[in-house]
Amino acid sequence: QKEVEQNSGPLSVPEGAIASLNCTYSDRGSQSFFWYRQYSGKSPELIMFIYSNGDKEDGRFTAQLNKASQYVSLLIRDSQPSDSATYLCAVKDAGGTSYGKLTFGQGTILTVHP
Amino acid sequence: SQTIHQWPATLVQPVGSPLSLECTVEGTSNPNLYWYRQAAGRGLQLLFYSVGIGQISSEVPQNLSASRPQDRQFILSSKKLLLSDSGFYLCAWSIKGNQPQHFGDGTRLSIL
Repeated sequence: QKEVEQNSGPLSVPEGAIASLNCTYSDRGSQSFFWYRQYSGKSPELIMFIYSNGDKEDGRFTAQLNKASQYVSLLIRDSQPSDSATYLCAVKDAGGTSYGKLTFGQGTILTVHP
Repeated sequence: SQTIHQWPATLVQPVGSPLSLECTVEGTSNPNLYWYRQAAGRGLQLLFYSVGIGQISSEVPQNLSASRPQDRQFILSSKKLLLSDSGFYLCAWSIKGNQPQHFGDGTRLSIL
């Protein structure tokens, strides 16, 4: 059973701080990793994806990948109250199919307080 | 640019009634299509996926079925709804290969 694990939180950070969200996965052959943001009552929205070891930056967001440790993280700099949401980590199965099946973590609830 | 439409946004149905949820994608051809369910406070559960017209794969045994009558249309159905079918149903699409999935706005289904 392929697993993706996240700390459910809630993670509470003050406005302007760095929020660090973590995710581990069990399928060592996984190659593609995604972060989605889901506001309460809304559908998930893709915010970052990363395929290679190291860091990938997009605005205030940085995704970090360490395949040897089977670990992927999302850093949110200068956190804003509007960042308060559930963050879902998703990992693409390593199988050789083209259907792109994702395994999702349970999500981490982030609260940014003023 | 690509867009995904999903309707209705909210649905209240009695136990034992049929269900039909529809999803369409615009701006791309031959996408992979997916149906997910998210129960209250739970993670996303993949129900069905499709790599082409008429090609449906089921991930979990259940009271639901899916069909893809056209390239960019994906339908989720049930003949008789159960209380346990309540949840937030999400349609998603992706380009073939190593690409992200993009979600529709979802349908919140309540069974009474």
